[in-house]
Amino acid sequence: SQKIEQNSEALNIQEGKTATLTCNYTNYSPAYLQWYRQDPGRGPVFLLLIRENEKEKRKERLKVTFDTTLKQSLFHITASQPADSATYLCALDPSGGSYIPTFGRGTSLIVHP
Amino acid sequence: DTAVSQTPKYLVTQMGNDKSIKCEQNLGHDTMYWYKQDSKKFLKIMFSYNNKELIINETVPNRFSPKSPDKAHLNLHINSLELGDSAVYFCASSQAESNQPQHFGDGTRLSIL
Repeated sequence: SQKIEQNSEALNIQEGKTATLTCNYTNYSPAYLQWYRQDPGRGPVFLLLIRENEKEKRKERLKVTFDTTLKQSLFHITASQPADSATYLCALDPSGGSYIPTFGRGTSLIVHP
Repeated sequence: DTAVSQTPKYLVTQMGNDKSIKCEQNLGHDTMYWYKQDSKKFLKIMFSYNNKELIINETVPNRFSPKSPDKAHLNLHINSLELGDSAVYFCASSQAESNQPQHFGDGTRLSIL
């Protein structure tokens, strides 16, 4: 069955370091992958989309990679700040041509000052 | 201006009651959604609706029904509430095309006593 895996344990890092979050998937052949940020008591907010033919995408301090061979996406936040503390979710388009993405459960990031 | 707004933010009610959650989007999107986020933080699609079709996740009990008075609104009606319905419900909208990001409301936390 199709599965999306994100580390359920929180990632704790020091301010100024690079945070790297992982999204692994099995039994998918997604055409694209999205990353969202979710703060407590709020809805997810879209951050970045990367297509299967793109290796890397950047937006300010954010970088996403997409390795369709490893079936993995990495989400990096450089020069992390306490304000980056949140839960980050990856979402993949399901097979079959549906436009509704399937979400992973997210990984909590805590940036310590 | 809030792009996707849903009310109420909190809903506490007794088992067996019928309740509704309202959602409105001002983004001009043609498709709206309802998601359920359980205590384990999984965000699962319940319904997708545009003026052409309603897509229902087959695991959703028929006690849940979406009602769309117009393109900008998608309300969620729940009959005979059960303890297991306690969760956060998110409304979202997007254009009905593959790889379009989802825009979420801030959720309705439903607690069943």
